[in-house]
Amino acid sequence: KAGVTQTPRYLIKTRGQQVTLSCSPISGHRSVSWYQQTPGQGLQFLFEYFSETQRNKGNFPGRFSGRQFSNSRSEMNVSTLELGDSALYLCASSFIAPGTGSYEQYFGPGTRLTVT
Amino acid sequence: LAKTTQPISMDSYEGQEVNITCSHNNIATNDYITWYQQFPSQGPRFIIQGYKTKVTNEVASLFIPADRKSSTLSLPRVSLSDTAVYYCLVGDSGGSYIPTFGRGTSLIVHP
Repeated sequence: KAGVTQTPRYLIKTRGQQVTLSCSPISGHRSVSWYQQTPGQGLQFLFEYFSETQRNKGNFPGRFSGRQFSNSRSEMNVSTLELGDSALYLCASSFIAPGTGSYEQYFGPGTRLTVT
Repeated sequence: LAKTTQPISMDSYEGQEVNITCSHNNIATNDYITWYQQFPSQGPRFIIQGYKTKVTNEVASLFIPADRKSSTLSLPRVSLSDTAVYYCLVGDSGGSYIPTFGRGTSLIVHP
C-alpha cells in the first residue's frame, strides 16, 4: 500500500498570508490527524478528523482549521500566518478498529512551512 | 489523559540491547501503549503497540507489567541507524483522545 502523502513538502509564506496543506491517508484509513512540530514545543496535536467530522482538537487558536473529504483526504488551513507558525506540519492516518481501542498512526513526511 | 515520563536521552553502542522505559501511572483500562521512532525532519514511524504482557515484532519487543503503569521498549542489537528519538504514547481510539508525544528519548548509538 502507498504510505501517507503530504503536499507540498516545502512552503515559504509571508506574515499575514494564509496557507493550505494537503494530506492523503493510506487507503482504507478513515482517521486523519494533524500535528505541528517545532524545536521549542516538540510534537503537538492539532486536530483529528474521522469520517469527515472533527473528532478531537488540540489547544491551538482558531486560525488553524481543517477538513476532511469523503475520500478521507484532508486539508489543513492556517490563516493570518505568524512567524511562530514556522514548523514541520505532519499528517497521520489511522485505521481504527472499532471496539479495540487500538490506535496505530502512520505519519507522512511532513510539510516544512517557513513564515517570513 | 495518561501522562508519560521517559528518560530524556540514552547512549549505547552498536550490537548492544537497548531498553527504554516509559512510566504511565494513570493509564486507563482501555488505553493501549504505542511506541514511535523519529529521525530528524521526518514523521514519526510506528514501531510497536501493546496492551499487556509482551509483544514482539521484527524490530522490537514491548514489555508491559501486570499493573501496566510502565512499559519497556527493547531494541535488540542496535546499529548506528537506530539513532533517533523514541516516543511512548498512551491512549485509546474511542472518545476524546489527544495524543501527547512529550519530548521522547533521544537515543544515540556509538560505533
